[in-house]
Amino acid sequence: DGGITQSPKYLFRKEGQNVTLSCEQNLNHDAMYWYRQDPGQGLRLIYYSQIVNDFQKGDIAEGYSVSREKKESFPLTVTSAQKNPTAFYLCASSIGRGRETQYFGPGTRLLVL
Amino acid sequence: AQTVTQSQPEMSVQEAETVTLSCTYDTSENNYYLFWYKQPPSRQMILVIRQEAYKQQNATENRFSVNFQKAAKSFSLKISDSQLGDTAMYFCAFMDTGRRALTFGSGTRLQVQP
Repeated sequence: DGGITQSPKYLFRKEGQNVTLSCEQNLNHDAMYWYRQDPGQGLRLIYYSQIVNDFQKGDIAEGYSVSREKKESFPLTVTSAQKNPTAFYLCASSIGRGRETQYFGPGTRLLVL
Repeated sequence: AQTVTQSQPEMSVQEAETVTLSCTYDTSENNYYLFWYKQPPSRQMILVIRQEAYKQQNATENRFSVNFQKAAKSFSLKISDSQLGDTAMYFCAFMDTGRRALTFGSGTRLQVQP
């Protein structure tokens, strides 16, 4: 089945710890995105990548890092510098090249212990 | 920077009736895309409908249609023959042609009553 997978579904972070959220897609999409959703709010853009080996900061990139070494994968690291990481994280992808509809993964819920 | 405003935090509709969700946006661009996404309790984001700004014709997908007023920067969603499965959060989103990332509104929680 084609789609976007995110793992884990739930993730717990201790103080001072870095954690990595996985996002994988087998849709052959060029573009991938990370969004953060806080309770009762819409999604906000963290990072995005239009092509392999290239990515740009979104609106709330501080305390996060990403890599895009493979077309299928766009992992997000929540670093210890992110002081309020508790949120729901959604990964999305799109074909790119003028076809802009984004499709979303099921999300990862990050909680701080 | 673009902004998207959804002024109705919550709405309720009876099953089989019609409901309209409002969305306004602010941009200086001429070419862009607009979307409505649905987020049911599972929290999966599901595309409902999309509209290209250069198209004057309003988009329609089965029971879902939009009223796109470019000059007024308004993009409302009409759901006809509401079904219980339509109960969800609905997000309006804007995409510019530059970075091609989405800017979301704060959402409208729709409850369909039996």
